[in-house]
Amino acid sequence: QSVLTQPPSASGTPGQRVTISCSGSSSNIGSNTVNWYQQLPGTAPKLLIYSNNQRPSGVPDRFSGSKSGTSASLAISGLQSEDEADYYCAAWDDSLKGVFGGGTKLTVL
Amino acid sequence: EVQLVQSGAEVKKPGESLKISCKGSGYSFTSYWIGWVRQMPGKGLEWMGIIYPGDSDTRYSPSFQGQVTISADKSISTAYLQWSSLKASDTAMYYCARRRRGYFQHWGQGTLVTVSS
Repeated sequence: QSVLTQPPSASGTPGQRVTISCSGSSSNIGSNTVNWYQQLPGTAPKLLIYSNNQRPSGVPDRFSGSKSGTSASLAISGLQSEDEADYYCAAWDDSLKGVFGGGTKLTVL
Repeated sequence: EVQLVQSGAEVKKPGESLKISCKGSGYSFTSYWIGWVRQMPGKGLEWMGIIYPGDSDTRYSPSFQGQVTISADKSISTAYLQWSSLKASDTAMYYCARRRRGYFQHWGQGTLVTVSS
């Protein structure tokens, strides 16, 4: 049981906009920033979004993040086949540890 | 270029000890926290703990406290994750990552640990 809650799966067709939610509590998302990681099949995770809505250099602006209260969302617009991957939200928890969501498997139909 | 290079895959028997490594390059190793993340087969990411190589300050997730030891040798820019007595349930991919302002900015390629009799 992960501390942060994500839907196990999401899907969309090429060109569509997809959102993935991440729900936490006052001790993690409610008081700290949210980060998102993308894990392509068979590879190490990669930082996708940091500090709620910031994109590292090289990440397309099709990816965006937002946070409100104890929840956060990742949005992917103009969905492409190469976006098929697992997506994880993460945050610091005030109990002095990091926490991840359970991950969402995105399928491009 | 920041790089984290992890040691190779390991196959061990239950009860054996193991130490895997993560060598950082391309940045000041003592200035950034290094974290370890577990991914069991077919499962999600789990935050294990972090170490600040500058002074070896270490934080563990309660789930992993007492189960593993995180250490670092700043003279060779290398962080370690070790077990004193492996269990079959330790079978997983283990990633190290460099932490910046609360997020893991750069990741190693992963070390697969298989524990089987």
